[in-house]
Amino acid sequence: SQQGEEDPQALSIQEGENATMNCSYKTSINNLQWYRQNSGRGLVHLILIRSNEREKHSGRLRVTLDTSKKSSSLLITASRAADTASYFCATDAGMIKAAGNKLTFGGGTRVLVKP
Amino acid sequence: KAGVTQTPRYLIKTRGQQVTLSCSPISGHRSVSWYQQTPGQGLQFLFEYFSETQRNKGNFPGRFSGRQFSNSRSEMNVSTLELGDSALYLCASSLRGSATEAFFGQGTRLTVV
Repeated sequence: SQQGEEDPQALSIQEGENATMNCSYKTSINNLQWYRQNSGRGLVHLILIRSNEREKHSGRLRVTLDTSKKSSSLLITASRAADTASYFCATDAGMIKAAGNKLTFGGGTRVLVKP
Repeated sequence: KAGVTQTPRYLIKTRGQQVTLSCSPISGHRSVSWYQQTPGQGLQFLFEYFSETQRNKGNFPGRFSGRQFSNSRSEMNVSTLELGDSALYLCASSLRGSATEAFFGQGTRLTVV
């Protein structure tokens, strides 16, 4: 079953615009990660934000986390055609150190950046 | 540093057959996880191995199994293939597992006919 729900399911923007997508989840988490996937290929890790962090930046990416609302957002600024991809949030809910890596993914947001 | 390598990239099998997929993690990473991606169910966790031991298991039938070798390489096996097993199988490696970034391979596209 999927932990997260992503919103919107699809997004179409012009190059240069910002793209924002949201992820909601159900249980307490250790961290939340965002991934990009191009055309059914492997997932590319974008950013990890821990449960005690509220905001994180990486290049043109900005991620926020609100644990009280169980939600996160990913903002891509000044989008490029190469940003066209599906974006997934994934939560790591392991409460025990030895619980291991078991990511639960949202359904993804398909982003189309038009040149 | 080399990334996660999955082989083969594409595979076509017949119903009832079995298949073995391979994953070589990033050097130094001890945790290897497997995921199945389908259009209907999305990305679903299969299992995770750490130091040759299965540490976590998802909700899949016993036809899905895996193992990890002493060099951290992992294999995933699916027996008695069904049409519904057609999917992209993704392997992810991470340093320790929980609370660390997971890096994915390009996946193996399995088609069952």
